[in-house]
Amino acid sequence: KAGVTQTPRYLIKTRGQQVTLSCSPISGHRSVSWYQQTPGQGLQFLFEYFSETQRNKGNFPGRFSGRQFSNSRSEMNVSTLELGDSALYLCASSLTPGSLPGSDGYTFGSGTRLTVV
Amino acid sequence: SQQGEEDPQALSIQEGENATMNCSYKTSINNLQWYRQNSGRGLVHLILIRSNEREKHSGRLRVTLDTSKKSSSLLITASRAADTASYFCATYNQGGKLIFGQGTELSVKP
Repeated sequence: KAGVTQTPRYLIKTRGQQVTLSCSPISGHRSVSWYQQTPGQGLQFLFEYFSETQRNKGNFPGRFSGRQFSNSRSEMNVSTLELGDSALYLCASSLTPGSLPGSDGYTFGSGTRLTVV
Repeated sequence: SQQGEEDPQALSIQEGENATMNCSYKTSINNLQWYRQNSGRGLVHLILIRSNEREKHSGRLRVTLDTSKKSSSLLITASRAADTASYFCATYNQGGKLIFGQGTELSVKP
């Protein structure tokens, strides 16, 4: 069965621009989480969505936003890009929110490598 | 702050040796998970151990959990060059967010 698909794989943007990243979860998975990974900060939690509702949000500025569609696909948007937004953005999906008892682990996509110049 | 912290930060061993990585966490948990990441790609889920379990096996992987010490260990037996990767533990914080540690970078030399 198809895994988690993230598009695009690589992206180069200029400071001040905005960017939209896309994530298609595994078929049947309704929970999607987003992470930012940088060498300095490691893996930082951005958002978690379940059934089109944001369940959780990390400590990121309002320039970072996301949404989930009725088919469980998710997008995240970063506006007014800064050099520090350069990172690997990872999306992960699961059947249900992972924090619920009895849930299994996440399946991650390969990520979108964003470079801001 | 990180919920889980791995130790050591880096580990270099020869093929065929065993590799042990440790993880400490701060709050009570429902489960603890281990993931592997190869060179800047996506994370791969290795194993999930629930708070009422003490040990779990999956192939060459063995995970232990000590909730009294708030710690877990991941043992990879008979390591191979293909095991070279970063290994992360992850737990849910009280807000329900899955939080990752900084990871252990494992290098297995042929």
